[in-house]
Amino acid sequence: AQSVTQLDSQVPVFEEAPVELRCNYSSSVSVYLFWYVQYPNQGLQLLLKYLSGSTLVESINGFEAEFNKSQTSFHLRKPSVHISDTAEYFCAVTHNNAGNMLTFGGGTRLMVKP
Amino acid sequence: DGGITQSPKYLFRKEGQNVTLSCEQNLNHDAMYWYRQDPGQGLRLIYYSQIVNDFQKGDIAEGYSVSREKKESFPLTVTSAQKNPTAFYLCASTLPHGQGHNEAFFGQGTRLTVV
Repeated sequence: AQSVTQLDSQVPVFEEAPVELRCNYSSSVSVYLFWYVQYPNQGLQLLLKYLSGSTLVESINGFEAEFNKSQTSFHLRKPSVHISDTAEYFCAVTHNNAGNMLTFGGGTRLMVKP
Repeated sequence: DGGITQSPKYLFRKEGQNVTLSCEQNLNHDAMYWYRQDPGQGLRLIYYSQIVNDFQKGDIAEGYSVSREKKESFPLTVTSAQKNPTAFYLCASTLPHGQGHNEAFFGQGTRLTVV
């Protein structure tokens, strides 16, 4: 069985400050990892994903995440946040033997303050 | 444009009524899912379907029913047996296993409120 833990339910931060949203997973096999973003009253959108290769993956809007196998982590970072980054962020994991099933973390609400 | 369409966006239900939430996709995905989202609880899987005419219960299937008569459509019925149906419902789809590494595409959600 696999599971995902997002350690912080809410992260308040001032605009232009750096932020890290933490995600840890447990799995006995090789995994694929995802970060999704959800704006209020909307569905989830894929932000970035790790499938293989370089452990550092980037999104088009300045977020990055690093896969750390020894720490079983996939933390999401941004060096300077904007008000528009205010949203809920979900980490998700799956693996080859999971069929198409994603397991989601509980979500982290990022609140960017002016 | 390809995507997933959920309707309606907002739905109000009287206690004791069944209601059906629509989910349609034109992505040619085989697998479709229904999730329930409550504040602070993330996404919980209600039902999923890997192929037409087949579906499986997820973690919280009680009080819900689904059908998968067409590849494009996966409607969810919230029955009167669901004791606390007020929530945000999300439909998703994925490519078949082995293609696209299980990336999920989501609809915009339906907010159901019991009045």
